[in-house]
Amino acid sequence: NAGVTQTPKFQVLKTGQSMTLQCAQDMNHEYMSWYRQDPGMGLRLIHYSVGAGITDQGEVPNGYNVSRSTTEDFPLRLLSAAPSQTSVYFCASRMGRKNTEAFFGQGTRLTVV
Amino acid sequence: AQTVTQSQPEMSVQEAETVTLSCTYDTSESNYYLFWYKQPPSRQMILVIRQEAYKQQNATENRFSVNFQKAAKSFSLKISDSQLGDTAMYFCAFMTMNTGFQKLVFGTGTRLLVSP
Repeated sequence: NAGVTQTPKFQVLKTGQSMTLQCAQDMNHEYMSWYRQDPGMGLRLIHYSVGAGITDQGEVPNGYNVSRSTTEDFPLRLLSAAPSQTSVYFCASRMGRKNTEAFFGQGTRLTVV
Repeated sequence: AQTVTQSQPEMSVQEAETVTLSCTYDTSESNYYLFWYKQPPSRQMILVIRQEAYKQQNATENRFSVNFQKAAKSFSLKISDSQLGDTAMYFCAFMTMNTGFQKLVFGTGTRLLVSP
């Protein structure tokens, strides 16, 4: 049971480039989300999904897109990378509304130069 | 909006000793959960312990226990018999159960160093 798998683990981008961070879970979880972790700021919610075909914005959504075509996958797209998007990104999933335990991927460290 | 405050950026403790990490939160909700997550150098986020607001009894998980003071909106983590493997960043987090998605709201973290 792999849990939540994020790829890549590390990435360096040039300003203006686009890329997709991949997230997949094999636990049949309804809820999936993306957080970013910045020094001194904890983790902040970027986007989330409560099921296939349903996504919504979190507190810091600007510059990012998401889609959820399957239960398993929840990719995060950076449209035009900016240095302010340098961060560690975490994907998380949980069973559903009544289940409070979130399972996290191992994170992606992204540097935008 | 909910906020979570961790006022101790760094703490250190010697092996086998006890350490307490502080967390306060602000909310007008009545139905919520509180969590402590551990993030070791591997970066993995690991759930240490959780507490349901409606439960008066403090949660415990082996060497980890919490002191939940609902009226004071305080949720501290006590680590007993500290081990070198406890060295990590610890995040306090809040989740309301009253709204749609129930996002996790995190504090800024406390870096704990356990020394021999």
